[in-house]
Amino acid sequence: QVQLQQWGAGLLKPSETLSLTCGVYGGSFSGYYWSWIRQPPGKGLEWIGEINHSGSTNYNPSLKSRVTMLLDTPKKQFSLKLSSVTAADTAVYYCARSVAATSALGYWGQGTLVTVSS
Amino acid sequence: DIQMTQSPSSLSASVGDRVTITCRASQDISNYLAWYQQKPGKVPKLLIYAASTLQSGVPSRFSGSGSGTDFTLTISSLQPEDVATYYCQKYNSAPRTFGQGTKVEIK
Repeated sequence: QVQLQQWGAGLLKPSETLSLTCGVYGGSFSGYYWSWIRQPPGKGLEWIGEINHSGSTNYNPSLKSRVTMLLDTPKKQFSLKLSSVTAADTAVYYCARSVAATSALGYWGQGTLVTVSS
Repeated sequence: DIQMTQSPSSLSASVGDRVTITCRASQDISNYLAWYQQKPGKVPKLLIYAASTLQSGVPSRFSGSGSGTDFTLTISSLQPEDVATYYCQKYNSAPRTFGQGTKVEIK
C-alpha cells in the first residue's frame, strides 16, 4: 500500500522560501512521476510541477522561475522549494504520485497548509 | 498552453438523478484526461483516468467518456456521499492543467 506523508513549515514571511518534503512509504520509487499541487483557500487545484525517477522535471510556466524540485532516492523522498513567496502563495500544498503507466495522480499526501503573512 | 474548461461550475440535483459534468480542452489531448473528486476538507481522489478507465475501488455509478477535446463525467444515480467538487485534469504533456472544478450539491 503506497502512502505519501509530507512535512514542512506552515507559516512563512513574504520573500522567504517555502520548503516541503514528501516521504514515500510502500511501493517502488522508480517509474513514476512525483508531483506537487496546491490549492488556495476556497479555490481550485493548481499543478505546480513534477519530477520523475531519473530527476527530470517539468514546472508550471507561471511558477517556473521560483520552483525547484529534487529527488532523494535512497531516502524515498522528494521535495519542493518555492522562493520569494508572497501572500498569493498561501495554499494547501499536496504531494502526489502517478498511477502506473499514466501521469494521472492516484496517490496523494495529506496536504500542508502554508500561510504567508508578515 | 492548453486550457481546461469545465461546465457547469456548480449544480444541484436530487438523490437518484443522473448528473453530467463536461470538460473541454482547448486543443486535442487524445484520451489523456483524468477526473478527481474532492469532498469538503479532504484530499482529492482519482476517479477516472484515460478518459474512461475507472480507478480501482470507485463505484460503478461513475463513468467517463470522450476523446480529443470534449469529455464527460457521469454519475448515473447521485448519492448523498457524492457531494463534492469534481476536477478534470489533462496529462498528455506538461503543464498538466486542472479544470476550475464543478461543485455538486444535493437538492
